[in-house]
Amino acid sequence: EIVLTQSPGTLSLSPGERATLSCRASQSISNNYLGWYQQKPGQGPRLLIYAASSRATGIPDRFSGSGTGTDFTLTISRLEPEDFAVYFCQQYGSTPRTFGQGTKVEIK
Amino acid sequence: QVQLQESGPGLVKPSETLSLTCTVSGASITTYYWSWVRQPPGKGLEWIGYMYHTGDTNYNPALKSRVTISVDRSKNQFSLKLTSVTAADTAVYYCVKSHSMDVWGKGTTVTVSS
Repeated sequence: EIVLTQSPGTLSLSPGERATLSCRASQSISNNYLGWYQQKPGQGPRLLIYAASSRATGIPDRFSGSGTGTDFTLTISRLEPEDFAVYFCQQYGSTPRTFGQGTKVEIK
Repeated sequence: QVQLQESGPGLVKPSETLSLTCTVSGASITTYYWSWVRQPPGKGLEWIGYMYHTGDTNYNPALKSRVTISVDRSKNQFSLKLTSVTAADTAVYYCVKSHSMDVWGKGTTVTVSS
């Protein structure tokens, strides 16, 4: 089973700032099948990035993903008020599918 | 636009079977893989398993002995059964489209309690 470790646990930033979130895998993810999701309180997750760096339909270009193998990054170039939420990574290169524990992006 | 809607009892007694259904609209159940994911209160996400309409299934080893995911092509639905539930199975349950999990249902809360 691939363990995904996200850091930091919490990121305190102001609107307009840049957010950099990390997701590290315990072993290489096949085909870089790594997704990033945003979750707001009381809502289901929303796919932002798939295959490590492809933006999902309708996702603003301030969200970008990068990385390969075991190290992946989600970058939000300029935080908007609606971006304060919890972010998860998930790998779908092998089974069992696994998720990171999440990074909370909060308003400083 | 693909939409998913979970349905089923919100309260299940310990040792009984949890049964949920996901109704798919905007896409054929025969086109994609479909998953169930759950989230215990205040915790992270856990993948339960996926299925394809041909009967191909894959389950989380941690739950495999208790889980069945099945499809009803005539109703464009797929279902989850989890047997012998305990309080640890209390969670929000989501149905999800595709391996990349690009579409999620709103989730349904299931509480295991007597």
